[in-house]
Amino acid sequence: DTGVSQDPRHKITKRGQNVTFRCDPISEHNRLYWYRQTLGQGPEFLTYFQNEAQLEKSRLLSDRFSAERPKGSFSTLEIQRTEQGDSAMYLCASSPPGAHRYGYTFGSGTRLTVV
Amino acid sequence: AQSVTQLGSHVSVSEGALVLLRCNYSSSVPPYLFWYVQYPNQGLQLLLKYTSAATLVKGINGFEAEFKKSETSFHLTKPSAHMSDAAEYFCAVSDYSYGQNFVFGPGTRLSVLP
Repeated sequence: DTGVSQDPRHKITKRGQNVTFRCDPISEHNRLYWYRQTLGQGPEFLTYFQNEAQLEKSRLLSDRFSAERPKGSFSTLEIQRTEQGDSAMYLCASSPPGAHRYGYTFGSGTRLTVV
Repeated sequence: AQSVTQLGSHVSVSEGALVLLRCNYSSSVPPYLFWYVQYPNQGLQLLLKYTSAATLVKGINGFEAEFKKSETSFHLTKPSAHMSDAAEYFCAVSDYSYGQNFVFGPGTRLSVLP
């Protein structure tokens, strides 16, 4: 197992374009999380999946954001009509049941720059 | 609601000196507490965690942290800093009543001077 993989590592896009990020969690982990991290800040929770079910969404996740985990394995995060304020590092993490005991395993993140 | 504060957004120490990074939390129920480290352009790596067993927790790379309920603190220490410890450190809190999400502090950037 190679850990949590995120693709791409970097994305530069023009304002108004749509972007999609992919996360492949650790295969035994049924929980998958998306966080956003802006410069100089800690990660902020966006959304969480248990298997294929999206169980929780943050108010940070506006209507332009959508996340899926269709078969309970990999997940995608799509941002439509990107804005400069969307520029951030998007982090994916996974965990087995009981994340509060074990902690998350994070991927290396996707850095998005909107120009 | 949970929250985490980290006193000092930037801490500088000399190589070989004691490292002390502060974390205070608020939680309505007994918390689970974590420290993560982040190197530039990388994700977060778990350093150590407190899950209601021993109050003094040892982690990787020589770091340890002590849970003090009376002070609602979970400060991170290392007796002797190494150049490779230069990174961003995040404290995080979770409790089962808040679902499966962690709340992260704003982070402390550690610089190690030669």
